[in-house]
Amino acid sequence: AQKITQTQPGMFVQEKEAVTLDCTYDTSDPSYGLFWYKQPSSGEMIFLIYQGSYDQQNATEGRYSLNFQKARKSANLVISASQLGDSAMYFCAMRGRRVDSNYQLIWGAGTKLIIKP
Amino acid sequence: GAGVSQSPSNKVTEKGKDVELRCDPISGHTALYWYRQRLGQGLEFLIYFQGNSAPDKSGLPSDRFSAERTGESVSTLTIQRTQQEDSAVYLCASSAQGTVNQPQHFGDGTRLSIL
Repeated sequence: AQKITQTQPGMFVQEKEAVTLDCTYDTSDPSYGLFWYKQPSSGEMIFLIYQGSYDQQNATEGRYSLNFQKARKSANLVISASQLGDSAMYFCAMRGRRVDSNYQLIWGAGTKLIIKP
Repeated sequence: GAGVSQSPSNKVTEKGKDVELRCDPISGHTALYWYRQRLGQGLEFLIYFQGNSAPDKSGLPSDRFSAERTGESVSTLTIQRTQQEDSAVYLCASSAQGTVNQPQHFGDGTRLSIL
């Protein structure tokens, strides 16, 4: 069965510091995609970054980068130079080529990140 | 439209009433998903539509829940005889196609409160 694990229920980080949010996954499918989403207190779910299992390089999007270690089955999100507006819940999700016969995302439980001024 | 649109944004109703939630996906997106998110928790998959294929209803928690989609456009999620445990935010998402690398784009959700 496919599974996503986020071991950090909550994190406090000082403004302007870099932060790493952990995500490990389990799948036997060789083709899969990993996603990170941000959910501020207002509730909307915002897509941040995507990493494909066959991508040779780690994905980057502005201040977001994904530390993809395939052998360890980890896909940690790194936020550089954190800002107060980064305070939110962060979810890691995975989609396999076939997941229980559909393409639904498997979601982690989330990490609540709070940036301190 | 520019993004996924959900209505209503908030719904308060009495236990036992039926509710209907609406989702307008991004134009051209063939895949549409419904999720439930209880307070302080992660997303719980409910149902998935992909084009004209039969929907995947494996996440629906009971037969009180049903959903329909007209072609590749609007979807409605209906909850009959609502219970207090149905209180949650119901999120709709769409993606360009149901494949590995397409991100899901979410609406702002409908916050459902059952009194």
